[in-house]
Amino acid sequence: EADIYQTPRYLVIGTGKKITLECSQTMGHDKMYWYQQDPGMELHLIHYSYGVNSTEKGDLSSESTVSRIRTEHFPLTLESARPSHTSQYLCASSRTGYGYTFGSGTRLTVV
Amino acid sequence: QQQVKQSPQSLIVQKGGIPIINCAYENTAFDYFPWYQQFPGKGPALLIAIRPDVSEKKEGRFTISFNKSAKQFSLHIMDSQPGDSATYFCAATFTGGGNKLTFGTGTQLKVEL
Repeated sequence: EADIYQTPRYLVIGTGKKITLECSQTMGHDKMYWYQQDPGMELHLIHYSYGVNSTEKGDLSSESTVSRIRTEHFPLTLESARPSHTSQYLCASSRTGYGYTFGSGTRLTVV
Repeated sequence: QQQVKQSPQSLIVQKGGIPIINCAYENTAFDYFPWYQQFPGKGPALLIAIRPDVSEKKEGRFTISFNKSAKQFSLHIMDSQPGDSATYFCAATFTGGGNKLTFGTGTQLKVEL
């Protein structure tokens, strides 16, 4: 079983609302990532972190923000959700030299 | 710029067949090449990975073939089963550069009875 947890699993929310997607891992991995993926489509990196207090924007521009105050926790926040933010958001973690462990994802729908 | 090119986009094989998915990369600094399997509604799961010091790696029915000079690697699934129907992603990274994976565009595999 994956030791990386994402909540909520599904979220339907109205336009303009602020949302936070939670991601936690129990493996002690120093690196964490957020990907955006439409069903069955490419994975787009939107944020990553190499450790506590380290965050960087990924290859795909995103209006979301992230924080990394604790090693195990890497939440993603959207200040004002829009229908264009509707997608699946996947969190992952890794240690150097090894592959990623992904969470099950949050399926976000903004109406 | 797509640094890892994956083909085909979709693939249908009969049960027992050997689907082959191909990837090509550009960055010669890449030194770790994993494959991920993703089922609908789930996150990708690490399937098998290879480093450039070997030309082939097998784990169960899954085999990676690696050609360093051609900058290509491929996934073979032996004796494919309907339960192998999923989307497969190749990826590559330079582990000295922060371990940030570059993913291929994915291949949707369907194994028919």
